[in-house]
Amino acid sequence: EAQVTQNPRYLITVTGKKLTVTCSQNMNHEYMSWYRQDPGLGLRQIYYSMNVEVTDKGDVPEGYKVSRKEKRNFPLILESPSPNQTSLYFCASSNKTGTGVVELFFGEGSRLTVL
Amino acid sequence: QQQVKQSPQSLIVQKGGISIINCAYENTAFDYFPWYQQFPGKGPALLIAIRPDVSEKKEGRFTISFNKSAKQFSLHIMDSQPGDSATYFCAARKSGTASKLTFGTGTRLQVTL
Repeated sequence: EAQVTQNPRYLITVTGKKLTVTCSQNMNHEYMSWYRQDPGLGLRQIYYSMNVEVTDKGDVPEGYKVSRKEKRNFPLILESPSPNQTSLYFCASSNKTGTGVVELFFGEGSRLTVL
Repeated sequence: QQQVKQSPQSLIVQKGGISIINCAYENTAFDYFPWYQQFPGKGPALLIAIRPDVSEKKEGRFTISFNKSAKQFSLHIMDSQPGDSATYFCAARKSGTASKLTFGTGTRLQVTL
């Protein structure tokens, strides 16, 4: 089954404790991205990757890091989490890196609480 | 600043009624406008999309209306059903940016019996 898998789905942590949210897709997609969803703010892009070893900042990259060492994986790293990073996080992938119709496939989300 | 403005924030419609969600944008470089549907506890999923060279696209009960001169587009859900209750996001892509979508703030739709 084609899917984007995120782990963990739920996490409660404390300020300053490094954490990683993993994302893996089995569709051989080149493009992957991380979004955060907050009430009243919609989905905001954190980082994206056009291919292996190619990453770039989205609209709200502060406090986050990413890496793309393999095509299927795109982990999101919070080196020193703060309470304002409490949010619902989504990983997404797409097979389109050019123009034309784009379909983003989203994972089921990771709800992070930073105390 | 919000590049894609979406309204209303929430919407209650009776079963069988028409649900209308509106979005507006400023950047004329946007060239692709999808709508995503999100059920509770799930990630968003593509519902329907349109390019600016057409004014309307219909798929079943779902229709996108696009007004290029006004820089507005809207989603119409005809004969709304309780199963349509979800959060809807409009989005836009800047030309040449591949899969990089900018999303609106979302509309929570509730369809009542």
